Amino acid sequence: DVKVTQSSRYLVKRTGEKVFLECVQDMDHENMFWYRQDPGLGLRLIYFSYDVKMKEKGDIPEGYSVSREKKERFSLILESASTNQTSMYLCASSPPGSGRTYEQYFGPGTRLTVT
Amino acid sequence: LAKTTQPISMDSYEGQEVNITCSHNNIATNDYITWYQQFPSQGPRFIIQGYKTKVTNEVASLFIPADRKSSTLSLPRVSLSDTAVYYCLVGAAEGGYNKLIFGAGTRLAVHP
Repeated sequence: DVKVTQSSRYLVKRTGEKVFLECVQDMDHENMFWYRQDPGLGLRLIYFSYDVKMKEKGDIPEGYSVSREKKERFSLILESASTNQTSMYLCASSPPGSGRTYEQYFGPGTRLTVT
Repeated sequence: LAKTTQPISMDSYEGQEVNITCSHNNIATNDYITWYQQFPSQGPRFIIQGYKTKVTNEVASLFIPADRKSSTLSLPRVSLSDTAVYYCLVGAAEGGYNKLIFGAGTRLAVHP
């Protein structure tokens, strides 16, 4: 089974702090994604990466950056956390060649609270 | 602007068939339609995907009309364990992963 793990299930940070969310997948997937999930809004794509050191902006990249130094690891960085970034953050990966089929494997999520 | 629309919630009883429809007015020509299931405190889990007509697997069926502007997820004979939130996912006509559009989700409650 594909396993996508996220470094924390729950995280509480203060406004202005730099926050790192880590995601690791164990199936050698090329594609990795970061989403945030908010009530009534579904999942919204923040960034995705289709290869090591490659990244592309999603729908809502403002206030976030990402890093992918190794194929299995994709990090989401909140440069200066703000209260409107309080949310559930979900990481996903998809197999090579999945193209436009969007069969993604998700981690359990990190619930981030910014106070 | 691409958008997907799903009912916010649905109720059903054990043993019934449940159909959840998603409207996607601007789906990309080459994109599949994908559906996910999410339980509380878990990430979404892939259920089924299709391009056109009908697709069936061991857990669900997916019906897609010729114009592909909507899709219907069909869950046969639901049980209490099917209580979850269901999301459709399409790619917008602008193309690329940066135009993935998730629906807001349909909360299905299955009653005894």
